[in-house]
Amino acid sequence: GAVVSQHPSWVICKSGTSVKIECRSLDFQATTMFWYRQFPKQSLMLMATSNEGSKATYEQGVEKDKFLINHASLTLSTLTVTSAHPEDSSFYICSASTGLVAGLGQETQYFGPGTRLLVL
Amino acid sequence: QKEVEQNSGPLSVPEGAIASLNCTYSDRGSQSFFWYRQYSGKSPELIMFIYSNGDKEDGRFTAQLNKASQYVSLLIRDSQPSDSATYLCAVVGRNMLTFGGGTRLMVKP
Repeated sequence: GAVVSQHPSWVICKSGTSVKIECRSLDFQATTMFWYRQFPKQSLMLMATSNEGSKATYEQGVEKDKFLINHASLTLSTLTVTSAHPEDSSFYICSASTGLVAGLGQETQYFGPGTRLLVL
Repeated sequence: QKEVEQNSGPLSVPEGAIASLNCTYSDRGSQSFFWYRQYSGKSPELIMFIYSNGDKEDGRFTAQLNKASQYVSLLIRDSQPSDSATYLCAVVGRNMLTFGGGTRLMVKP
């Protein structure tokens, strides 16, 4: 259980285009979804946290007009990189939270497989 | 001081040995602790979580938590070359999951 998918897994695009990445929780409803970015040989960097039906909360230094997040349902969140530039090339990973787990009282995050973006 | 600290490594152990990965955290109110494994070029996968002081075992993996000393560790018994990866410690505090920088483990045949 607790499978998270991402689509696409690879994107190569020209500078100036917009790229949309989808994140889906396949077998559970995710109260919260998270978007991370990871540059080569660096640790995960949280970009934003999104709750279904409300505006995303962005981390300091992340431009919300550049990285548009839509969390339309309990199983789908999208990240759109608008007017992508070469410096946006990175590994984008979403995760979905199961919320409080019955009997455990603790939240667990499950990660999608990631989307590798290359902007030429 | 970072909220969650890990030695970046690489930690090199021979095949069959016990690998010990450590993590310290600064928020004394943290309640939940997670270990993720990340292979190169892949996204993290959850190995196990722990929220009570003491040890929790799952197969070859044992998580150890000491809230008084604010550290959590992961032991991998009978290490295999396939265990070579970066191990991320994550801590839930203030309703946020905060990741350490990860420790790179290399298991040599």
